[in-house]
Amino acid sequence: DGGITQSPKYLFRKEGQNVTLSCEQNLNHDAMYWYRQDPGQGLRLIYYSQIVNDFQKGDIAEGYSVSREKKESFPLTVTSAQKNPTAFYLCASTLKGGATEAFFGQGTRLTVV
Amino acid sequence: GESVGLHLPTLSVQEGDNSIINCAYSNSASDYFIWYKQESGKGPQFIIDIRSNMDKRQGQRVTVLLNKTVKHLSLQIAATQPGDSAVYFCAENGAGGTSYGKLTFGQGTILTVHP
Repeated sequence: DGGITQSPKYLFRKEGQNVTLSCEQNLNHDAMYWYRQDPGQGLRLIYYSQIVNDFQKGDIAEGYSVSREKKESFPLTVTSAQKNPTAFYLCASTLKGGATEAFFGQGTRLTVV
Repeated sequence: GESVGLHLPTLSVQEGDNSIINCAYSNSASDYFIWYKQESGKGPQFIIDIRSNMDKRQGQRVTVLLNKTVKHLSLQIAATQPGDSAVYFCAENGAGGTSYGKLTFGQGTILTVHP
């Protein structure tokens, strides 16, 4: 079955550590996105990538980094520079340049302990 | 637009009533719009979409209306059921320039359906 998979579902991080969230899709989509969602709030765009080896900052990129070495993978690293990383992180993908829906993963809930 | 620092608006309805959820968008060049439903702890799920050359589209129990003049989108849910309780987001897939292909989400609305 085609889809988009995020792992892990829950992640705990100690202050000062970097952690990497995984996002894999087998939909052959060109574009991938990372969003952050805080309780009771909407989705805010962190980074997006429309093609392999290229990505752009979203609205809240500070303290995060990404890579896009393969079409199917778009990992997000939450660095120690992110002051308030506890949140729900969502990955999505779409066909590049097309007016098509985005498919979302089931999310990763990151908690700083 | 973004909902940075804001809490989501809420809509409470009785089971069986019709629900209308509204969304304003900012990019007049956007040519494609989507409504998503998000249940607690899960990723958003596609409900219905509409292209800018249309002003209305109907699905099963849902209707999306698009008013390009005032840049407004609405989602109508007929005979709302308790299982419809969720957060609803609109999204636009901006057309032209650097925003092409980039999804931008609206603020979202929390829908609560009472039995």
